[in-house]
Amino acid sequence: EPEVTQTPSHQVTQMGQEVILRCVPISNHLYFYWYRQILGQKVEFLVSFYNNEISEKSEIFDDQFSVERPDGSNFTLKIRSTKLEDSAMYFCASREGGGSGANVLTFGAGSRLTVL
Amino acid sequence: DAKTTQPNSMESNEEEPVHLPCNHSTISGTDYIHWYRQLPSQGPEYVIHGLTSNVNNRMASLAIAEDRKSSTLILHRATLRDAAVYYCILTGFGDMRFGAGTRLTVKP
Repeated sequence: EPEVTQTPSHQVTQMGQEVILRCVPISNHLYFYWYRQILGQKVEFLVSFYNNEISEKSEIFDDQFSVERPDGSNFTLKIRSTKLEDSAMYFCASREGGGSGANVLTFGAGSRLTVL
Repeated sequence: DAKTTQPNSMESNEEEPVHLPCNHSTISGTDYIHWYRQLPSQGPEYVIHGLTSNVNNRMASLAIAEDRKSSTLILHRATLRDAAVYYCILTGFGDMRFGAGTRLTVKP
């Protein structure tokens, strides 16, 4: 069964450092998403991406975050200057089509980010 | 996305059916009802979705009220592996936003 792959599985970084989380969505999917989950809390939407541009972003996704699809397979989330409160599990997801609610999301296993 | 209301937690005995309710009184005509679950230390996974009619798949059944203002996810025989947080989400043309979900505990 096709899956969404995320790397690294766990990253530890110092506050103020830049971090890039990588995702390989399912190959025929067109819509890509990042979510985060702080330990013990709910899954929070960060951003959605389609046709090489952001289609929607939440209030969490401020100027320190950026997303990119640098090639035909990878989808990345960059945090420019990490803060302690960025410590969380980050989930990438993809969807075949996004034009209606009929299409389902497939999630990766997540990347755990720990900021010291 | 329209809001949903779910109980914070539910308990079930192993091998018994489980009915997880979800209220979505402000659902619009184009909103699909999706259910996802998150097993401990894993990413969310798709369970089932529907628009108006009841749906069955290998994992579960989805019963949708005639007025679509509520739905119920049915696990026919709960196993220990079904212990998870279950999320009911409405999605139309916007993006999927998760609520707090229902934490299902399955007792042996």
